[in-house]
Amino acid sequence: GAVVSQHPSWVICKSGTSVKIECRSLDFQATTMFWYRQFPKQSLMLMATSNEGSKATYEQGVEKDKFLINHASLTLSTLTVTSAHPEDSSFYICSAETGAVYEQYFGPGTRLTVT
Amino acid sequence: AQSVTQPDIHITVSEGASLELRCNYSYGATPYLFWYVQSPGQGLQLLLKYFSGDTLVQGIKGFEAEFKRSQSSFNLRKPSVHWSDAAEYFCAVGAAGYSTLTFGKGTMLLVSP
Repeated sequence: GAVVSQHPSWVICKSGTSVKIECRSLDFQATTMFWYRQFPKQSLMLMATSNEGSKATYEQGVEKDKFLINHASLTLSTLTVTSAHPEDSSFYICSAETGAVYEQYFGPGTRLTVT
Repeated sequence: AQSVTQPDIHITVSEGASLELRCNYSYGATPYLFWYVQSPGQGLQLLLKYFSGDTLVQGIKGFEAEFKRSQSSFNLRKPSVHWSDAAEYFCAVGAAGYSTLTFGKGTMLLVSP
């Protein structure tokens, strides 16, 4: 089956610094990638949708200047959390779509802890 | 806007017993419905999906789900649970023509010996 990887799987950073999370589709080209945030005991909340070569579409309430998304190629999307604060600590999950609607594959997630 | 409710935060089932996880959705048109499973360290894995047609959907790992429009439900079932089924299960809803999913809060399944 299709595989999506995320790197790093776990990161700790200091408040005020920036962190970049990578999402890669390993064996298929992803026309669209999605970024989710998951709090403990909570649902996955869609943050943004990105298409290769174009600007990401952010969900209401998500700060686009804080959560920078770059979808530079059909196999790579990155999420950069800028000037991170403890409240940004969360589990970030990406998914990649093959081109068929709703044929999405999810990455294993990245645990971000901001101290 | 669409929404999903999974009323059970966690459920404990004995190994070999049957399982039913509840999911209710709210959406004005015909929904696209999904069940995913999330194991620690693993990405969400699609168990099954419903777009149209037969309202009883078969999925992987012996799971099935039934779409009941009158009850706005899409409950997940398995006749005999295995210890390896212990994980978190998410129900999700989507809309025709769009790729975005709305997830429920998940149900944690615990399997007792």
